[in-house]
Amino acid sequence: DVKVTQSSRYLVKRTGEKVFLECVQDMDHENMFWYRQDPGLGLRLIYFSYDVKMKEKGDIPEGYSVSREKKERFSLILESASTNQTSMYLCASDRDSYEQYFGPGTRLTVT
Amino acid sequence: AQSVTQLGSHVSVSEGALVLLRCNYSSSVPPYLFWYVQYPNQGLQLLLKYTSAATLVKGINGFEAEFKKSETSFHLTKPSAHMSDAAEYFCAVSDGGGSQGNLIFGKGTKLSVKP
Repeated sequence: DVKVTQSSRYLVKRTGEKVFLECVQDMDHENMFWYRQDPGLGLRLIYFSYDVKMKEKGDIPEGYSVSREKKERFSLILESASTNQTSMYLCASDRDSYEQYFGPGTRLTVT
Repeated sequence: AQSVTQLGSHVSVSEGALVLLRCNYSSSVPPYLFWYVQYPNQGLQLLLKYTSAATLVKGINGFEAEFKKSETSFHLTKPSAHMSDAAEYFCAVSDGGGSQGNLIFGKGTKLSVKP
C-alpha cells in the first residue's frame, strides 16, 4: 500500500520560530510537492521538487524554503513563522503521471 | 495559463439523490483532468482521472465524470448519494502537455448529504 507520511498532524508554534515540516514517501517517486490549503482558496502550491537536491518555486513560495537531501524525504521550512502561515499543509508525491498521492496533512497554528 | 473553476462551494443533496459537481477548465494544451476527494481530517485521494482516452471516466465509489471538450467541462456525477459521500471534492487540471508538470486545483466543493 502506497504511503506518504507527514511528521505531525497538529502543530502549534509561536511567531518568529523556525518550523520544520517533514514528509516521507515510500513509493520511490521522483516528484514531491508541498501545498497549503485554506478555506475557500483550495490548494496552492508552495514548492516542488523533481529530483534530489532540486527545488522549484510554486505559486506562493514567500516565507518558505525546502530541502530534499534524499529521494524519499521533502522538508518544508518556515524560516520565521508568522500568524498568516496558520494553515493546513499537505505533502504529495507522484511519478511523472500527475497522479499525486497525498499525506494526511499537518494543521499548523502560529500564535 | 491553465485554470479550473468549480461552480458552487457547497452542494447539499438528499441520500439517494443524484450528485452533480461542476468543473470547468481552461487549458492551452490537451488537458489531463482529475477529481480528488478529501474526507474530514484527511489528505486528498484520487477519485478518477481523464488522460485523453475514453471521455467517460469511471472512478471509485460509484463516481464518474465526462470530458466534454466543446463545453470545457469535466463534471462529476454519482447516481445515488450515500451518507459516506459527504466530503470536499477538488477538480484539477494538468499545467502542461503530456505527463510532465504540476496540477492546478479548483477551490473545492463541499458536499453534504442529508438523511
